[in-house]
Amino acid sequence: EPEVTQTPSHQVTQMGQEVILRCVPISNHLYFYWYRQILGQKVEFLVSFYNNEISEKSEIFDDQFSVERPDGSNFTLKIRSTKLEDSAMYFCATGSNTEAFFGQGTRLTVV
Amino acid sequence: TQLLEQSPQFLSIQEGENLTVYCNSSSVFSSLQWYRQEPGEGPVLLVTVVTGGEVKKLKRLTFQFGDARKDSSLHITAAQPGDTGLYLCAGLTPSSARQLTFGSGTQLTVLP
Repeated sequence: EPEVTQTPSHQVTQMGQEVILRCVPISNHLYFYWYRQILGQKVEFLVSFYNNEISEKSEIFDDQFSVERPDGSNFTLKIRSTKLEDSAMYFCATGSNTEAFFGQGTRLTVV
Repeated sequence: TQLLEQSPQFLSIQEGENLTVYCNSSSVFSSLQWYRQEPGEGPVLLVTVVTGGEVKKLKRLTFQFGDARKDSSLHITAAQPGDTGLYLCAGLTPSSARQLTFGSGTQLTVLP
């Protein structure tokens, strides 16, 4: 069964460093999303991406965040200068405009 | 900001019992999804409901979308220990068509 693949599964980074989280979507899916889940809290929407551009983003997705699909397959989330409060599980999801299939997540720990 | 309230927050039952989990909002949703999430993993999509009053069955799980598309329920018949997990509802609204709003989840524990 096709699945969304995320790498790395766990990343530890120092505050102020840049991180790039990677996602391989399910082929033929056209919509791509990033969500995050801080430990013990709800899953929160970050950004949606369609037709090579951002279609919606939340207040969380500020100038420190960016997304791109550089080679037409991988979908990446970059955090330019990480903060302690960026520590969370980051989920990539792909799908249609009515439903989303989630990857296993990347656990980001900022120290 | 749309809010999805799930109840109960925690539910512990014996194997073989039936249960219902509720997902309520004051907002109208164009579609609503139910997910199940295991610790440290991503949410796994169980079902999507789109039409008001819609009922979908997935083996022992029955999902219902309210007539007004503001609420939904998940009913599990004859629960088994393998049903243990965090059940999440998440919805899309007409104004935020591509961002899922998640509920806080119902943690279900089925005791053998």
